Amino acid sequence: GNSVTQMEGPVTLSEEAFLTINCTYTATGYPSLFWYVQYPGEGLQLLLKATKADDKGSNKGFEATYRKETTSFHLEKGSVQVSDSAVYFCALSDRQGAQKLVFGQGTRLTINP
Amino acid sequence: DTAVSQTPKYLVTQMGNDKSIKCEQNLGHDTMYWYKQDSKKFLKIMFSYNNKELIINETVPNRFSPKSPDKAHLNLHINSLELGDSAVYFCASSQGSLAGSNNEQFFGPGTRLTVL
Repeated sequence: GNSVTQMEGPVTLSEEAFLTINCTYTATGYPSLFWYVQYPGEGLQLLLKATKADDKGSNKGFEATYRKETTSFHLEKGSVQVSDSAVYFCALSDRQGAQKLVFGQGTRLTINP
Repeated sequence: DTAVSQTPKYLVTQMGNDKSIKCEQNLGHDTMYWYKQDSKKFLKIMFSYNNKELIINETVPNRFSPKSPDKAHLNLHINSLELGDSAVYFCASSQGSLAGSNNEQFFGPGTRLTVL
């Protein structure tokens, strides 16, 4: 079946540091890929997405590129802020049939000033 | 102007009780979902409804029964609560039910259920 694996957290960085959160997936066919963010005490929000190979999703300074050859969708940001502290989830959705998001285990990110 | 709302936000109850969680979306979406997030933050889909019809039913105990009175509401009723049911339950909605780039899922704030 489909699955998503993220790097284990927690991740702690200083403000303005470079961020990478690794995500790899296993899927039949060519899924759509997503990054969701969960701020403390809130629900999940879509951060960015990519629907086909080599697509780059970007939002709020975050980027991720759909790499079919390495089955990866790593999240990056050049300079993180304290307000980026949250839990980040990588997810995939099959491109056929009923939509169903399959999530990774989440990575907790803490940014210190 | 909350897009997807859930009630209650917190629910503390005894083992063996029956409880319900309500979800409403005002986005005009056709499809709604329930996800469970366990203590390790792992998220997994439970159910999905499209226009009041069940379309996804993962391997969830039949103590869990979703009910969709109309396409804007999807409630989750849980019978005979067990300790292992303690989790955060998220409701979500999307425009369509089929996988596709435009079917972004919008999530509610979650309901934290604690079974004692």
